[in-house]
Amino acid sequence: ETGVTQTPRHLVMGMTNKKSLKCEQHLGHNAMYWYKQSAKKPLELMFVYSLEERVENNSVPSRFSPECPNSSHLFLHLHTLQPEDSALYLCASSRGTGTYNEQFFGPGTRLTVL
Amino acid sequence: KQEVTQIPAALSVPEGENLVLNCSFTDSAIYNLQWFRQDPGKGLTSLLLIQSSQREQTSGRLNASLDKSSGRSTLYIAASQPGDSATYLCAVLADRGSTLGRLYFGRGTQLTVWP
Repeated sequence: ETGVTQTPRHLVMGMTNKKSLKCEQHLGHNAMYWYKQSAKKPLELMFVYSLEERVENNSVPSRFSPECPNSSHLFLHLHTLQPEDSALYLCASSRGTGTYNEQFFGPGTRLTVL
Repeated sequence: KQEVTQIPAALSVPEGENLVLNCSFTDSAIYNLQWFRQDPGKGLTSLLLIQSSQREQTSGRLNASLDKSSGRSTLYIAASQPGDSATYLCAVLADRGSTLGRLYFGRGTQLTVWP
């Protein structure tokens, strides 16, 4: 247990569906991250939130919409996804976004888009 | 752009062997380097973190070294066990001229240790 939980653990959705991924951290951290891990590429950073403000959007398509209502919760809202969006989506948190802050990862959500 | 490469992509060894996993990165301007373990269908577990000013870190049977100038790191696993079977990921926290660090990951080495 790393103190970062993600739900659901598995999700299958059609291209016209709307769904959301949830991440919660119990570590008192101020920064949260979304990563994508697909079979064809290394683990990629998608979004970074620091103190509930988005500080990085790594050229992610608008069909992915993040939300950070407070420092403990992070959501990834999904709509009109493509089959190539099928991947493992990992959430992470850290005390801050500075260069000496270690990131702690959740177990991930395995997403399949049909 | 920072690129991280891990060799080998896969490794299968009998129990008891000493192992070396390799990681290289293209831009030496890094703050730190981390080794992670990922079990099938699960998230990442941090194993070792080496700051850019350090040469190595040790935790139990694991030893990681860092040669920042040459852009290389190795993870040494002593006396391997079947429970070590997992994918090992290397990641560097890059200096992008701002206070926001960013992790760049390799594709990983898939390790299988058989009894």
